[in-house]
Amino acid sequence: QKEVEQDPGPLSVPEGAIVSLNCTYSNSAFQYFMWYRQYSRKGPELLMYTYSSGNKEDGRFTAQVDKSSKYISLFIRDSQPSDSATYLCAMFKAAGNKLTFGGGTRVLVKP
Amino acid sequence: NAGVMQNPRHLVRRRGQEARLRCSPMKGHSHVYWYRQLPEEGLKFMVYLQKENIIDESGMPKERFSAEFPKEGPSILRIQQVVRGDSAAYFCASSPKDSGNTIYFGEGSWLTVV
Repeated sequence: QKEVEQDPGPLSVPEGAIVSLNCTYSNSAFQYFMWYRQYSRKGPELLMYTYSSGNKEDGRFTAQVDKSSKYISLFIRDSQPSDSATYLCAMFKAAGNKLTFGGGTRVLVKP
Repeated sequence: NAGVMQNPRHLVRRRGQEARLRCSPMKGHSHVYWYRQLPEEGLKFMVYLQKENIIDESGMPKERFSAEFPKEGPSILRIQQVVRGDSAAYFCASSPKDSGNTIYFGEGSWLTVV
């Protein structure tokens, strides 16, 4: 079983819709949670990071963490075609410095 | 991810040759990480280095792969005697300290083994 599970998609939505992404994880040692966006043939770009359970909002993006359920989510409001990319969740333990990634969800926002 | 510089961006090697990938971290960053991304897969941790030290190499294949981050100059990921299965995107990331929330990635080096 992978430490971090993420539905690969693809997830296709019309422009303006809410995109809902999520990851589950099995190791309760994960303390920091990140979402990265990766365009084709580009490096991952950090979108959001959270430490504690709850919500964090930044513009059109909202990240949620539920440590009791080992479940994290990313919501993108008012989606745009430029949001079409692969979204990767990543997690980091308090001890050690390696990020553990989910497999990524491919998102396509249709105009 | 501006600031983490990787080169070459694209590299083609024949089976059995050596591949050297270079990474210059962001200014002020002393920690470097290498990740590998196979087609249609997520990023897999390979190695974590500080200047002149390998901190965690638990994700490195036991043979043919090595990494260094010298006191002066870029970090180098070296793959000896490449095989077709080494074809992948190799990403370097850097951070200023032991902090997971400030890890920034470069644009990657795409290795193709023919």
